[in-house]
Parts: sequence; C-alpha cells; structure tokens
Amino acid sequence: DTAVSQTPKYLVTQMGNDKSIKCEQNLGHDTMYWYKQDSKKFLKIMFSYNNKELIINETVPNRFSPKSPDKAHLNLHINSLELGDSAVYFCASSQIPYEQYFGPGTRLTVT
Amino acid sequence: AQSVTQLGSHVSVSEGALVLLRCNYSSSVPPYLFWYVQYPNQGLQLLLKYTTGATLVKGINGFEAEFKKSETSFHLTKPSAHMSDASDYFCAVSGARGGSGNTPLVFGKGTRLSVIA
Repeated sequence: DTAVSQTPKYLVTQMGNDKSIKCEQNLGHDTMYWYKQDSKKFLKIMFSYNNKELIINETVPNRFSPKSPDKAHLNLHINSLELGDSAVYFCASSQIPYEQYFGPGTRLTVT
Repeated sequence: AQSVTQLGSHVSVSEGALVLLRCNYSSSVPPYLFWYVQYPNQGLQLLLKYTTGATLVKGINGFEAEFKKSETSFHLTKPSAHMSDASDYFCAVSGARGGSGNTPLVFGKGTRLSVIA
C-alpha cells in the first residue's frame, strides 16, 4: 500500500516531445506538490496544490502544466521538452502543516 | 523568505564514529524543521522533525537533532555510524507554523555521508 506513487519511474524522450508524469496519494492529504531535483541533487518546489486548487507556482516555465483532477492526484504535463528539463521530479503530499511524504521520483532524460 | 545552509557537501566518518551533519536555517516565522534521507534512486524518507515542544527530537535509525533558536541551527547527530547510514541527507525548513499553512519545504543542498569500514 504505497503512500505516494508516481508513474513512470523512468522517462526517456527527445527534445520537443510532450510528456506527462502521474502522481497519486492514498493518505487522504489535502495538499500535493511537485519538486524538481537537478543533477546536483538540489531540490526545489515547482507547484503546490491544495484541494485541487493551485496555490504555488514557482517561476516555472509555462511549458509545465500541473493538473489535479481530484485531491488524491496531481499530474505534471510538460510541453516541448528541452535538454534542461532533464532531472528527477518528485511528487509529495502533506496534511498541512506537517511533514511531506515523497513519491519515489521520476527520472526524466531528454535527448 | 526562508533558506537552509548545510555546511559540508560531503562528510566522511569511520564506522562506529559520531555522525554530525550541520544545518542552519533562516526563517521570518517560527519554523518547522525536518531532516530527510535519500537512498540511491529512491525518494526522500523523513528521519525526524521539529514542530514545537521539546527541542531535542529523536528520529528513526538512531538519529536525533536539536533545535537551537539562538543559533538558528538544527544539526543532525548519531552516536555511532553504521555502514547502512551512507546516503544523502537533506535539511529542510517550512514556515507553516504561523503562516498560511501552504508553505512548501525549502531544502538545503544536501550532505553526502560516507561511512568507512
């Protein structure tokens, strides 16, 4: 019974393509997040949703579009992929104001 | 604005020796503080957290950390390192306490712990 799951775990694609990453949590949390971990392992918030409503959008290119069909799911769609988008993307959830639970990550490689 | 500084991108200790990973934070509101560990090719696992109350907090796998407001620090310690402790450790701050409640985590750059047999 995985708490926060992401699919796919690995994603290899070419520049210019469009791809999606899916995230689901079964913890009943109200808030979900997307973080990006770069090649130096630095983690930075991208988006935050609370009860399907976008709360935080941290200077992310508009090629990235999160979508939350319900409070248990937060998907990330990326248009026109660029080399610099290669990273590990983590989904997380929390019941504010407590700790966040992270998914296993999706390693995106753009060639 | 909040920030976290982890001193030492790489710390190496001998097996059985004390582990000390340093974390200093900056926050305009009373912080929540967290330590996470990331094992290779895995997500982040919470080691411990400080929210309120006792300033010395104990976590999993024998780790503990002490919140020192005067020093704006939240250093992670373990009395005796084990080979399985080798991994990447991240300190994070959240301003949720006193804030709107939707503050995401702000992470330090991480410290890689190596344990030498």
